[in-house]
Amino acid sequence: QQQVKQSPQSLIVQKGGISIINCAYENTAFDYFPWYQQFPGKGPALLIAIRPDVSEKKEGRFTISFNKSAKQFSLHIMDSQPGDSATYFCAASKVFGNEKLTFGTGTRLTIIP
Amino acid sequence: DTGVSQDPRHKITKRGQNVTFRCDPISEHNRLYWYRQTLGQGPEFLTYFQNEAQLEKSRLLSDRFSAERPKGSFSTLEIQRTEQGDSAMYLCASSLVGDNYNEQFFGPGTRLTVL
Repeated sequence: QQQVKQSPQSLIVQKGGISIINCAYENTAFDYFPWYQQFPGKGPALLIAIRPDVSEKKEGRFTISFNKSAKQFSLHIMDSQPGDSATYFCAASKVFGNEKLTFGTGTRLTIIP
Repeated sequence: DTGVSQDPRHKITKRGQNVTFRCDPISEHNRLYWYRQTLGQGPEFLTYFQNEAQLEKSRLLSDRFSAERPKGSFSTLEIQRTEQGDSAMYLCASSLVGDNYNEQFFGPGTRLTVL
């Protein structure tokens, strides 16, 4: 049972453009939504995270938009750079109890010059 | 380096052999998680510990898998009688309960190839 759906599977964006990755979740008990960045041969690294008490969170060029009623959240990467080329995973978990992360299937982002 | 470390980074084994992986979490972290990641997929939860207690195991963790965290510090994941379907990246993550809403830090993973 896939509880977090992520799209698109792959994305090509020109340098300086905006990269947008979308996720939708099913379990209304989720209340913590992080995004992870993974480079080949490396473990996932936390990029930015949000809780549902806010609709948007911005850290540098990275912004999470959150729509609680639609059970959707998205990652926006502004001024995309070649160094942003990686696989991005959205995830969701509860805050209390077993905070295991449920991941989406990933988006392979390629930034072209 | 004070991050999560895993050993070995790569393991090639023959079907039917036993393998053991080690994870050293960030020193003050009391939660430790194991995930498995197959090619083109996101990590999937296997099991987790709070201190030395194993609190939950996923249905993905068959009887051939066992995990320990004997002194609440490092953890080991053992796979007995490996099968080709066990080929995957095994990821360890750690977190501090009550800190920053379960911010989990991942290690570099152990890539297992079963021939």
